[in-house]
Amino acid sequence: EAQVTQNPRYLITVTGKKLTVTCSQNMNHEYMSWYRQDPGLGLRQIYYSMNVEVTDKGDVPEGYKVSRKEKRNFPLILESPSPNQTSLYFCASRGTGSATNEKLFFGSGTQLSVL
Amino acid sequence: GQNIDQPTEMTATEGAIVQINCTYQTSGFNGLFWYQQHAGEAPTFLSYNVLDGLEEKGRFSSFLSRSKGYSYLLLKELQMKDSASYLCAVSNSNSGYALNFGKGTSLLVTP
Repeated sequence: EAQVTQNPRYLITVTGKKLTVTCSQNMNHEYMSWYRQDPGLGLRQIYYSMNVEVTDKGDVPEGYKVSRKEKRNFPLILESPSPNQTSLYFCASRGTGSATNEKLFFGSGTQLSVL
Repeated sequence: GQNIDQPTEMTATEGAIVQINCTYQTSGFNGLFWYQQHAGEAPTFLSYNVLDGLEEKGRFSSFLSRSKGYSYLLLKELQMKDSASYLCAVSNSNSGYALNFGKGTSLLVTP
């Protein structure tokens, strides 16, 4: 089954304790992206990657890191989480064929709480 | 940058028709998407428009006017399960065809 898998689904942590949210896709997609979703603010892009070893900042990259060592994986790293990073996070992927109507496939989300 | 506006909330009656509008301002426009998102779940794809006009898909239709920076999602024969948030998103060729989302419209379908 074609899917984007992110883990964990729920995570509660404390300020300053490094964490990683994993994301993996099995569709051989070149493009992967991370979003955070907050009430009243909608989905905002954190980082995206056009292909292996190619990453770029989105609209809200501060406090986050990503890596793209393999095509299927795109982990999100919070080196020193803070309470303002409490949010619902989504990983997404799509192909980058000549047609730009490649729709985004989303993971099921990670609800992160930073105390 | 870009600015995407859609109403925050709408209410409609089961069996009725509802139109959710979206306006946008962007450089490098490369298509507009509509997604549906139920509470606590991931967004799911509904429609895509890149040329002007109406795209129909079952009970859902989406319209685009590029010159006006305007789109709408039309939902017919509303069902209770259509209660969800509807997200308008614009593809931008200036940032790797990244999808930038509006804040979403929360639709409540009442009996």
